[in-house]
Amino acid sequence: NAGVTQTPKFQVLKTGQSMTLQCAQDMNHNSMYWYRQDPGMGLRLIYYSASEGTTDKGEVPNGYNVSRLNKREFSLRLESAAPSQTSVYFCASSEAGQEAFFGQGTRLTVV
Amino acid sequence: GQSLEQPSEVTAVEGAIVQINCTYQTSGFYGLSWYQQHDGGAPTFLSYNALDGLEETGRFSSFLSRSDSYGYLLLQELQMKDSASYFCATYTGGFKTIFGAGTRLFVKA
Repeated sequence: NAGVTQTPKFQVLKTGQSMTLQCAQDMNHNSMYWYRQDPGMGLRLIYYSASEGTTDKGEVPNGYNVSRLNKREFSLRLESAAPSQTSVYFCASSEAGQEAFFGQGTRLTVV
Repeated sequence: GQSLEQPSEVTAVEGAIVQINCTYQTSGFYGLSWYQQHDGGAPTFLSYNALDGLEETGRFSSFLSRSDSYGYLLLQELQMKDSASYFCATYTGGFKTIFGAGTRLFVKA
């Protein structure tokens, strides 16, 4: 039972490069989320998708785009990476928002 | 706006009881959740309170007072493995969950 799977687990980018973080869940949840976590800080919501076909901005959406490809998959794209985007990125899914299940995270460094 | 306040650090002794408080201010509120995160790991769900009162799950209990915009997580019979960060989070409807900055719990022998 995989739950929420994120790829890649680690990534180093040069400033200006682009990349897509992939996330897939096998729990048939409607809602999916992308968070970033900076050292010693909580999780900040980047984007979320309440259901297939919808996406909405969270607290810190600037510099990111998302795609809800289908019910299972929700990707996060950095079009032009900046050092300020160095962080740990977590994807999560939930059925109704009360209990979220998280992936293991992607540790991204932008140099 | 939305904000959640919780202490940055708490230290307690193994076997003791510790309470981690959380106050919130949100434009809409459906419930308060608690998550645990060990260093290098992913957050894992502990509890959810939609109504006022205490919810108990083993050694962990969570309390909510909607009128005071306040909740807490109570950990009993502390163990070394409870050393972790604990986050409160508000579910504000619209399928949106916002997290506090987290409380780092240190359990000492």
